[in-house]
Amino acid sequence: GEDVEQSLFLSVREGDSSVINCTYTDSSSTYLYWYKQEPGAGLQLLTYIFSNMDMKQDQRLTVLLNKKDKHLSLRIADTQTGDSAIYFCAERMDSSYKLIFGSGTRLLVRP
Amino acid sequence: EAQVTQNPRYLITVTGKKLTVTCSQNMNHEYMSWYRQDPGLGLRQIYYSMNVEVTDKGDVPEGYKVSRKEKRNFPLILESPSPNQTSLYFCASSFVDQPQHFGDGTRLSIL
Repeated sequence: GEDVEQSLFLSVREGDSSVINCTYTDSSSTYLYWYKQEPGAGLQLLTYIFSNMDMKQDQRLTVLLNKKDKHLSLRIADTQTGDSAIYFCAERMDSSYKLIFGSGTRLLVRP
Repeated sequence: EAQVTQNPRYLITVTGKKLTVTCSQNMNHEYMSWYRQDPGLGLRQIYYSMNVEVTDKGDVPEGYKVSRKEKRNFPLILESPSPNQTSLYFCASSFVDQPQHFGDGTRLSIL
């Protein structure tokens, strides 16, 4: 079935790197996404990766995809207090364009 | 400014009183979708629409209706709301095969 799993919580010190992990089940998903949700706000698209890629870098963000293990990770370099938020991993079902979300990882950045 | 607009942002109402949450996008997107977000469950799709007059059920459609009479609007209708529909609701839109843009959310409390 469709399932996306993430750890619930991550705490890091300001300036360190954060790595948020995600596993998914549908090997046919074409796109995998990372969204950020700040308190009281909607979901902001951070980045996405096409399934034929292994890595994508965008400024402080690096996405790694291990398609064999169905594992996706988001690395945030030089994490700042403004990065504190909930991060959602999502895979897109090609038939319906539905996004299957993980339950979200709450990132806390300590000064 | 390109955006997805939901109204109302907050609503407290009572069981059985019909309500409609509106969603409008100004990006000429074909695809629109409704999700609900509940603690520990991430976001789950309620209904989606691939284009005008084309709608389909998502994972949790029970108790909801939608319509897509115009490309820009995709209202979510709760004919007889119940307390288990208390949730945070998000509308999203995109061009087919592009990342979805989310509204800021509507928090519904049904007493």
